[in-house]
Amino acid sequence: GAVVSQHPSRVICKSGTSVKIECRSLDFQATTMFWYRQFPKQSLMLMATSNEGSKATYEQGVEKDKFLINHASLTLSTLTVTSAHPEDSSFYICSAMERGTDTQYFGPGTRLTVL
Amino acid sequence: AQSVSQHNHHVILSEAASLELGCNYSYGGTVNLFWYVQYPGQHLQLLLKYFSGDPLVKGIKGFEAEFIKSKFSFNLRKPSVQWSDTAEYFCAVISFGNEKLTFGTGTRLTIIP
Repeated sequence: GAVVSQHPSRVICKSGTSVKIECRSLDFQATTMFWYRQFPKQSLMLMATSNEGSKATYEQGVEKDKFLINHASLTLSTLTVTSAHPEDSSFYICSAMERGTDTQYFGPGTRLTVL
Repeated sequence: AQSVSQHNHHVILSEAASLELGCNYSYGGTVNLFWYVQYPGQHLQLLLKYFSGDPLVKGIKGFEAEFIKSKFSFNLRKPSVQWSDTAEYFCAVISFGNEKLTFGTGTRLTIIP
């Protein structure tokens, strides 16, 4: 149980385009989902917290107009990187918090490369 | 604000050696504590967690961790490591009333066959 999927696993795009990443909790309902960036050989950096049906809460320094988050249902959250630039290249990871618990389950991550 | 420290950045052990990875947090109130593992090329997996009760918690794959409140510590242990334990280990904390996980910087564990 407690499986989180992400799609796509890898994406390469041109500078200036937008990329959407999906995060799904497959076998549980997640009232809260989180989006992280992981830099090489570093820990995870929380970007934003999204609650189903409400606006995401962004961490300091994260541009909300650049990283659009939508949490449309209890099993799906999406992160859209708008007008992507090479510096946005990174490993993006989502997690889902199972309803009624404080435990986050992580997706496999999405490797974004912006050319 | 809460923070998590993992003082061992890279640990190298031989198979069958005993393991202890340190984790200290700074927060004076009630916390929930986690250890996650990230095997090479794979995603973060929950190894074990502590919410309340017995401060010695057992996780998957023979790992355990002990919560020592007076020391603000939650060290991870395994009596005999295997080559397959080679991975990155992250300690994480959620403080009461806060849904955000705060991660330590991680400890890279390399097991030599």
